[in-house]
Amino acid sequence: DAKTTQPPSMDCAEGRAANLPCNHSTISGNEYVYWYRQIHSQGPQYIIHGLKNNETNEMASLIITEDRKSSTLILPHATLRDTAVYYCIVRVSAFGAAGNKLTFGGGTRVLVKP
Amino acid sequence: DTAVSQTPKYLVTQMGNDKSIKCEQNLGHDTMYWYKQDSKKFLKIMFSYNNKELIINETVPNRFSPKSPDKAHLNLHINSLELGDSAVYFCASSPGILGQPQHFGDGTRLSIL
Repeated sequence: DAKTTQPPSMDCAEGRAANLPCNHSTISGNEYVYWYRQIHSQGPQYIIHGLKNNETNEMASLIITEDRKSSTLILPHATLRDTAVYYCIVRVSAFGAAGNKLTFGGGTRVLVKP
Repeated sequence: DTAVSQTPKYLVTQMGNDKSIKCEQNLGHDTMYWYKQDSKKFLKIMFSYNNKELIINETVPNRFSPKSPDKAHLNLHINSLELGDSAVYFCASSPGILGQPQHFGDGTRLSIL
């Protein structure tokens, strides 16, 4: 079962930053926060992940609170192509089956408007 | 140059039939997965293979049988299809079993009449 809570939907303006929140209040010390997105009619796409430090890559930034109970995915300059369902997932850091199991929740449906 | 490719993209068939979905990855990954996305859009893992060995087998009816002839391929065979099997099935791969990010195919939409 998913261990994260996300708003079901949100809109953002093209060219502006999109801030997607995620609550994971029961996260354990050895669990990572992963973000994937699913554009309509495509498979999920990996975005970014982190353990406790903030992370940035070419797609997005991930801000994790100090107590690790919540995080925010930031898309710095949203484009129309960023319209998708965004999934926040916690995953245990373990070798083998346990560490490889992704459990998807309902995600946040993000609509980028012109 | 598709990384994870699934065939067919669409599959429409009648209840009771047997069908297979094929998946191939050209990323050189050791681990492959099958996920099911139902009508409510929830994605759930079904199986995972690492170097052709089954490592994840969720509570899936035994009508579903994965087969991995080599590291680059993971096929899914479904016997005696039922209406509830209608869903989108996604194949994915990752470099190994250390929890690296998974790369997904674009799915096979299975519709049971």
